[in-house]
Amino acid sequence: DAGVIQSPRHEVTEMGQEVTLRCKPISGHNSLFWYRQTMMRGLELLIYFNNNVPIDDSGMPEDRFSAKMPNASFSTLKIQPSEPRDSAVYFCASSLIAAGETQYFGPGTRLLVL
Amino acid sequence: AQSVTQPDIHITVSEGASLELRCNYSYGATPYLFWYVQSPGQGLQLLLKYFSGDTLVQGIKGFEAEFKRSQSSFNLRKPSVHWSDAAEYFCAVEAPGGDQKVTFGTGTKLQVIP
Repeated sequence: DAGVIQSPRHEVTEMGQEVTLRCKPISGHNSLFWYRQTMMRGLELLIYFNNNVPIDDSGMPEDRFSAKMPNASFSTLKIQPSEPRDSAVYFCASSLIAAGETQYFGPGTRLLVL
Repeated sequence: AQSVTQPDIHITVSEGASLELRCNYSYGATPYLFWYVQSPGQGLQLLLKYFSGDTLVQGIKGFEAEFKRSQSSFNLRKPSVHWSDAAEYFCAVEAPGGDQKVTFGTGTKLQVIP
């Protein structure tokens, strides 16, 4: 299996621009998680989906952030407009739906907003 | 809500020496407990997890962890560290039978010296 695939791996953009991060979960997994990792705040859960339905988006920082999962094999995290404080590594992870299931992480997207 | 504390930000050990990374959790009952490892520029990978039963859990790469209810701890150990173990280690907790939301600790960065 190819594992969780994220693109792009690196993104540099200017403040105010729209940023779209993409994730392809492991085939057969039906839970998908978006995390943000920063030095100051560590690893934070932004949102997660079960069977393509958003279950909990309480970690989404503000309305500038949105996430979609149009089908079982694709999800996007969009930031519009981006700000320098959004600079972080964004991880996507997938798992089976069940308590205690292992989450499989993608390699992350390193975002720098200038 | 559950929380997890990793009191050591950085640890340095010599190659071949033993290792113990500390993790304490806060939760009303016994949560699901995990240890993940993150190599530089990579996503997180599960080392081991504990749900119930035998309090000594074996994981991949020669790691083990011991659950101690009386101390609310789940420390990670390895008898002999290899240079390739240099990475950041995250302890995590999840409420049993709950909503799949995993709370990660702030991580312990391990440096291995020859």
